[in-house]
Amino acid sequence: DAKTTQPPSMDCAEGRAANLPCNHSTISGNEYVYWYRQIHSQGPQYIIHGLKNNETNEMASLIITEDRKSSTLILPHATLRDTAVYYCIVRGGGADGLTFGKGTHLIIQP
Amino acid sequence: GAVVSQHPSWVICKSGTSVKIECRSLDFQATTMFWYRQFPKQSLMLMATSNEGSKATYEQGVEKDKFLINHASLTLSTLTVTSAHPEDSSFYICSANRGRNQPQHFGDGTRLSIL
Repeated sequence: DAKTTQPPSMDCAEGRAANLPCNHSTISGNEYVYWYRQIHSQGPQYIIHGLKNNETNEMASLIITEDRKSSTLILPHATLRDTAVYYCIVRGGGADGLTFGKGTHLIIQP
Repeated sequence: GAVVSQHPSWVICKSGTSVKIECRSLDFQATTMFWYRQFPKQSLMLMATSNEGSKATYEQGVEKDKFLINHASLTLSTLTVTSAHPEDSSFYICSANRGRNQPQHFGDGTRLSIL
């Protein structure tokens, strides 16, 4: 699976949009971009995933650049409960385990 | 709601004890489940892939005789930490996915503390 690069930490004001970047310059054509988050002492929570089109669900939006070398996760109206470590993971369609990097520690400020 | 259930959520036991952790997929069948371990202030590390009806596949450096995995049905995988020692204290998390190109869903994890 392709490697990803994320900033180690970010701050965002409550109520504002949180934009979390991820670089995956070595992504291959059949690999998806997945986003998970982990709130302290809990298992990771799936947020969203995409291949090349932008995606939106009830939690977030995923913007993937045209060359697919980077993406941005957008939490439109961040709340204090969105404070967590966010992981960007690239993987193919096989049934393999996930490789977690260090992620981005997002801190929502009141 | 949760699609993967993990039990127990917290275990404290003496050194030398064996501990079993269960992972269940609640509303789908999972031929493959995964076990991860997370030490404090670190990221999740894949330990093994649990395959229904066959032997588990272990990642490099993970002792298969110490971490016994049984995937006896399409909805249940178990991880047994045999003769646990303090260095095995960690946060153990399982996951499963509904199919190809589908996201993995994680259990809430088991906090294992060996005294």
